[in-house]
Amino acid sequence: DVKVTQSSRYLVKRTGEKVFLECVQDMDHENMFWYRQDPGLGLRLIYFSYDVKMKEKGDIPEGYSVSREKKERFSLILESASTNQTSMYLCASSYRASPLHFGNGTRLTVT
Amino acid sequence: EDKVVQSPLSLVVHEGDTVTLNCSYEVTNFRSLLWYKQEKKAPTFLFMLTSSGIEKKSGRLSSILDKKELFSILNITATQTGDSAVYLCAVEHTGNQFYFGTGTSLTVIP
Repeated sequence: DVKVTQSSRYLVKRTGEKVFLECVQDMDHENMFWYRQDPGLGLRLIYFSYDVKMKEKGDIPEGYSVSREKKERFSLILESASTNQTSMYLCASSYRASPLHFGNGTRLTVT
Repeated sequence: EDKVVQSPLSLVVHEGDTVTLNCSYEVTNFRSLLWYKQEKKAPTFLFMLTSSGIEKKSGRLSSILDKKELFSILNITATQTGDSAVYLCAVEHTGNQFYFGTGTSLTVIP
């Protein structure tokens, strides 16, 4: 079974802080994704990566950056957290034409 | 603009009822359509559909895709309280990206 692990289930940060969300998958998947999920808006793609050191912007990359130094790890960085980044963040991975496998999510609150 | 639209937004049914959830899409370079179930945490995969008219079935759940009319349905028969969840539809295009609908929230009451 594919396991996608997000380092924190809940995080509370202050406005202006730099925030790191970590995601690790154990199935050697090439593709990794970061989504945020908000009521009424569904899942929106922030960034994705097809390979190590490779990254592509999704639909809402503003205010975020990512890092993929190793194949199994994909980090989402909020350079200066703002209250409108309060959300559920979901990491996912996939291999070629396979379905997405999701982590359990990180609920981030920015105060 | 690529989009995925799910209906209804929410649904409340009694145990034993049959429900049909809808997903329509406009996505260029379509590759597949996927259904997920989301309870309190991670969405879990239900079905992946790539061909029109071929029903996929798993227990009381089934799904079918119509690539001509650009929609899919997810059927749940003999619903149980454990079926209460948000059901997400996603469409993958050949760039290996996935577009999600906003989901249908299903509540099954005893």
